[in-house]
Amino acid sequence: KAGVTQTPRYLIKTRGQQVTLSCSPISGHRSVSWYQQTPGQGLQFLFEYFSETQRNKGNFPGRFSGRQFSNSRSEMNVSTLELGDSALYLCASSLEGLNIQYFGAGTRLSVL
Amino acid sequence: AQRVTQPEKLLSVFKGAPVELKCNYSYSGSPELFWYVQYSRQRLQLLLRHISRESIKGFTADLNKGETSFHLKKPFAQEEDSAMYYCALSGSSNTGKLIFGQGTTLQVKP
Repeated sequence: KAGVTQTPRYLIKTRGQQVTLSCSPISGHRSVSWYQQTPGQGLQFLFEYFSETQRNKGNFPGRFSGRQFSNSRSEMNVSTLELGDSALYLCASSLEGLNIQYFGAGTRLSVL
Repeated sequence: AQRVTQPEKLLSVFKGAPVELKCNYSYSGSPELFWYVQYSRQRLQLLLRHISRESIKGFTADLNKGETSFHLKKPFAQEEDSAMYYCALSGSSNTGKLIFGQGTTLQVKP
């Protein structure tokens, strides 16, 4: 089975722009979670989607949003980028009823 | 407040020495506790979870609800154990959301 796939792997943007990151979960996994990883704050939960609905949300501003499609693929969007949004964004998928998350390799976003 | 604390940023031991990576948590309710590991140039992966009560790669972890701890232990460290270790918790009704500690880098010297 293919693992969790995140695209692109690297992104460079400038302040004020917006960005969309993509995550394809493991086949059959309907839950997709997103995390932000920075040296200062560590791994922080952004949100989780299940069956195209946001089921959980972390403490991030409204500039961070996401969605999930009927094939369980998920995207997250960050609008009006700030320097502090530079981070590794990780996506994880899990099988409903089995609380084990499988992580992608991440998208490294640099905001200049 | 929900919180996971890993007090050591770096733990350095010699091969064959015992290892204990500390993890304390704060959660009102019945959390599920996990240890995730990230080896060099690999993605984050589950090492073990408290409900499984398994030993994986020689590692064990026992949930101590009285001390709100979930320390990771291995009696004899191997060089291939060198990695970043994260303790994480999930609320029983909050699947899909993991709260992570800051991580501990384990360095096993030959």
